[in-house]
Amino acid sequence: AQSVTQPDIHITVSEGASLELRCNYSYGATPYLFWYVQSPGQGLQLLLKYFSGDTLVQGIKGFEAEFKRSQSSFNLRKPSVHWSDAAEYFCAVGVNAGNMLTFGGGTRLMVKP
Amino acid sequence: DTEVTQTPKHLVMGMTNKKSLKCEQHMGHRAMYWYKQKAKKPPELMFVYSYEKLSINESVPSRFSPECPNSSLLNLHLHALQPEDSALYLCASSQDPGSADTQYFGPGTRLTVL
Repeated sequence: AQSVTQPDIHITVSEGASLELRCNYSYGATPYLFWYVQSPGQGLQLLLKYFSGDTLVQGIKGFEAEFKRSQSSFNLRKPSVHWSDAAEYFCAVGVNAGNMLTFGGGTRLMVKP
Repeated sequence: DTEVTQTPKHLVMGMTNKKSLKCEQHMGHRAMYWYKQKAKKPPELMFVYSYEKLSINESVPSRFSPECPNSSLLNLHLHALQPEDSALYLCASSQDPGSADTQYFGPGTRLTVL
């Protein structure tokens, strides 16, 4: 069975600083990988996804993520964080059968002014 | 347009009430999902509908009853809930039930059971 680990439960960065959120997955085949963001009390918004091809994927709001098969990782990055980026971030892996998503535990991002 | 809508936004119900949550999408997606999310936790899958047929039930108690009247609409009927069922209920949809695909989420219904 697949699993996703987000090692950092909370991260605090200063506004304007760079950001990297870690995601490690366990899955026997080629994974389909997603990053979602959730503001308090809201639904999940898709930031970006990786299905195949170029291992560096660009998403919305200036985010990018890099798929590294050798490290079973799909880390999310942003060069300069804005106060509005404060939210919960979820990494997820999808599998073909039933299109079921397995989510990581989430990372709560706080942004200092 | 990648919008999934959910109503109501908030719902408070007693343990003897019957209520329903509604989810709608007009993207032509043929897979729809219900998730339950407790505070500070990731979403947990409850049900999957593929081509309007229930394809996955993740051992959800029978007090939750899903229904898919047509390809655009998904309901979750609630009856005799417990306080521990209080959570954010999220609906999602995706294009193709048969393969890994992007799921688009609605804003959720915040349910409180008294």
